[in-house]
Amino acid sequence: DTEVTQTPKHLVMGMTNKKSLKCEQHMGHRAMYWYKQKAKKPPELMFVYSYEKLSINESVPSRFSPECPNSSLLNLHLHALQPEDSALYLCASSQDTVVSRYEQYFGPGTRLTVT
Amino acid sequence: AQSVTQLGSHVSVSEGALVLLRCNYSSSVPPYLFWYVQYPNQGLQLLLKYTSAATLVKGINGFEAEFKKSETSFHLTKPSAHMSDAAEYFCAVSGQTGANNLFFGTGTRLTVIP
Repeated sequence: DTEVTQTPKHLVMGMTNKKSLKCEQHMGHRAMYWYKQKAKKPPELMFVYSYEKLSINESVPSRFSPECPNSSLLNLHLHALQPEDSALYLCASSQDTVVSRYEQYFGPGTRLTVT
Repeated sequence: AQSVTQLGSHVSVSEGALVLLRCNYSSSVPPYLFWYVQYPNQGLQLLLKYTSAATLVKGINGFEAEFKKSETSFHLTKPSAHMSDAAEYFCAVSGQTGANNLFFGTGTRLTVIP
């Protein structure tokens, strides 16, 4: 099983809402990632978790709050988002964080629209 | 710092023709280079990666890429395009040391004409 699942597939939320994105993998991977992809743009790294600890935060605004409850699950909590935060949010995982050795497996993404 | 430049945001080829997608990299350390494909409304799938072993790398779906240090290039090729190859292709780079960040190019949309 080389699958990363993400829920929901689509999410529409208002600027005052609180919502969460969920990512799950059962490949035994110990590194998990959140990327943001705007339309017709490449993915941009937001966060990296390594062994359930946050190892990289690419200066992401605090209205995005990641959480890694266990090695299989990664959440992204959203609060007070802006319309410009509308994008495809991709989750990925890899066996470890040594990029040269271990490929990142991507989920299908959650398409977020902030109204 | 690492970065990649993909020349041509949109490439069109006829079915059965050669596919050539260009990628040039900039890296202060020996790079690791990747090609990913993204089909509509899907995540990214790794096609192939260069990690300083063989300079000619073979990937999935008949794609391959050659690392040329003298030209700082890592172009993606496929001898014969299929309709199913139509997708967005991203080149990405990461340094061998330090963080495991992937830095993606701006992408090339491949259209295959029947």
